[in-house]
Amino acid sequence: DAGITQSPRHKVTETGTPVTLRCHQTENHRYMYWYRQDPGHGLRLIHYSYGVKDTDKGEVSDGYSVSRSKTEDFLLTLESATSSQTSVYFCAISESMRLSGNTIYFGEGSWLTVV
Amino acid sequence: DQQVKQNSPSLSVQEGRISILNCDYTNSMFDYFLWYKKYPAEGPTFLISISSIKDKNEDGRFTVFLNKSAKHLSLHIVPSQPGDSAVYFCAARATQGGSEKLVFGKGMKLTVNP
Repeated sequence: DAGITQSPRHKVTETGTPVTLRCHQTENHRYMYWYRQDPGHGLRLIHYSYGVKDTDKGEVSDGYSVSRSKTEDFLLTLESATSSQTSVYFCAISESMRLSGNTIYFGEGSWLTVV
Repeated sequence: DQQVKQNSPSLSVQEGRISILNCDYTNSMFDYFLWYKKYPAEGPTFLISISSIKDKNEDGRFTVFLNKSAKHLSLHIVPSQPGDSAVYFCAARATQGGSEKLVFGKGMKLTVNP
């Protein structure tokens, strides 16, 4: 198993509150990603990072921000949580920008419910 | 507008029979395709992939076929086993702005009945 730890694994929060999800890796991989998975949508890329302090937006970045102050941690922040952000969030890591089945690995997911 | 489509949300097959999971795509710039398997409460795990320059890739019970002209790929599992019951995601690789991204389909739930 790739060394990816997501925390918290489950969280219930109230609308309007900020929430931060953490992805921690022990593989020293350069690239890190945050996806969300929703019924009827598959996995969609929120933000990604290609190095410390280097991040960029994915296809569904509105309402989310990220930070990467060190190689091993990639934080996803919901600035003011809304019910539409109730989802399962997956972190992924990759050692190469050349994405293939053997280079990108997913964490176990963080279940977020916004009430 | 979905670029990777898995139009059937679910499939149920008997143990020992063949499972065929389909995926269609619209972007001719995709150069690599992957299948992921996901069990409940776990992250997706890589199953098999195929480059756009090939039309078939086989790995044990799993075979992926690619028809570029039809922009269609399929995953064949034979024989199907109860442990194959999971959600399967088709994904395609695209290069945008100098970096690579994976675009996923909605997923299909496969149930293999003993």
